[in-house]
Amino acid sequence: GAGVSQSPSNKVTEKGKDVELRCDPISGHTALYWYRQSLGQGLEFLIYFQGNSAPDKSGLPSDRFSAERTGGSVSTLTIQRTQQEDSAVYLCASSLWPPPEQFFGPGTRLTVL
Amino acid sequence: GNSVTQMEGPVTLSEEAFLTINCTYTATGYPSLFWYVQYPGEGLQLLLKATKADDKGSNKGFEATYRKETTSFHLEKGSVQVSDSAVYFCALSDQDGRDDKIIFGKGTRLHILP
Repeated sequence: GAGVSQSPSNKVTEKGKDVELRCDPISGHTALYWYRQSLGQGLEFLIYFQGNSAPDKSGLPSDRFSAERTGGSVSTLTIQRTQQEDSAVYLCASSLWPPPEQFFGPGTRLTVL
Repeated sequence: GNSVTQMEGPVTLSEEAFLTINCTYTATGYPSLFWYVQYPGEGLQLLLKATKADDKGSNKGFEATYRKETTSFHLEKGSVQVSDSAVYFCALSDQDGRDDKIIFGKGTRLHILP
């Protein structure tokens, strides 16, 4: 595709439910990043992938968060047993390697009730 | 570790005013520097970049000069417009250091009044 796409664009869920967020990077981009942007906050780095491996998982806030990437393309961010503090916009970005710049998707707005 | 510090917002200006958003960084290697912009309801997009000292990035009337001596990359525009209202993020990519990801500042929200 022409750009990074994410789905769903909006997700409303109940506390305790699991959610999956999807990211389709730009074709040919080997690096893929997940960030979280809470209201009034900056970008919080979560995890990045180089190919299918994740060299840096340091930003995942808890063990309820996990991510995978298959085929060097699509990535899924999974949040188990969601909590209200998980409510945020989750942004995905992709880039060539090394990362001269990142291209961002439109984000998924997650609301946990 | 690498880090980016930018001025806190919100910044409120009148149309046609001069804009400066300060950004300073710390890095172990030789970073590339970026400004990203997030317009209301949209995703982040690259505004401009500079890859080495003394480079000037420019786009849409915005400019920023890579100052190694002051470790700064301040964003400037001579005459802002209402359409420039957005959140601006300073960022660095340190390809020679230990960090393999882009580090973002916390963002500065800009409001331009007509």
